[in-house]
Amino acid sequence: GQNIDQPTEMTATEGAIVQINCTYQTSGFNGLFWYQQHAGEAPTFLSYNVLDGLEEKGRFSSFLSRSKGYSYLLLKELQMKDSASYLCAVRDPGDYKLSFGAGTTVTVRA
Amino acid sequence: KAGVTQTPRYLIKTRGQQVTLSCSPISGHRSVSWYQQTPGQGLQFLFEYFSETQRNKGNFPGRFSGRQFSNSRSEMNVSTLELGDSALYLCASSKGTSYEQYFGPGTRLTVT
Repeated sequence: GQNIDQPTEMTATEGAIVQINCTYQTSGFNGLFWYQQHAGEAPTFLSYNVLDGLEEKGRFSSFLSRSKGYSYLLLKELQMKDSASYLCAVRDPGDYKLSFGAGTTVTVRA
Repeated sequence: KAGVTQTPRYLIKTRGQQVTLSCSPISGHRSVSWYQQTPGQGLQFLFEYFSETQRNKGNFPGRFSGRQFSNSRSEMNVSTLELGDSALYLCASSKGTSYEQYFGPGTRLTVT
């Protein structure tokens, strides 16, 4: 099975940087995904890491350390529209299904 | 390219009834997964279909079932509805197991 932990809430100021951590304890690993979900909307895909290291996509970056069972999502130059829930998900290598963390609600303040 | 579509968007049902939800994946995507999202439990995996075959199933009772058609469209059925089935049901499609999933807008089911 999968056990995925991420902080419940984070608050930051517009223009700042926020780092959302995700730790996982799994029976196997076949990739880690980050999704953004605005209130009342569906999750949207942000990033995918399967190898160790940093993946950068504009203002968003995601890091993975497989040996530590750890990932983070870095949001730079925060904008008000970044206020959302951020979901970490791990894919099982056996059945390829995704297991999601409970999500981190990020609130961006002016 | 059109995204994942789900119908209906909102549904109100009574305990004991049954419901069928529909999902049309992105064109070319053959994998469809279903999730239940509630405030208390978060996103919970229901099942996944690929080429009309159920490949994976989550820990949900047999009242939850699904199927996939030859055009990759999928349906999910919940029988004998319970109050606890009130949730947002999300469908996600992908090209296959090694690819990211794209979610539809969801069906908000309320059971009274």
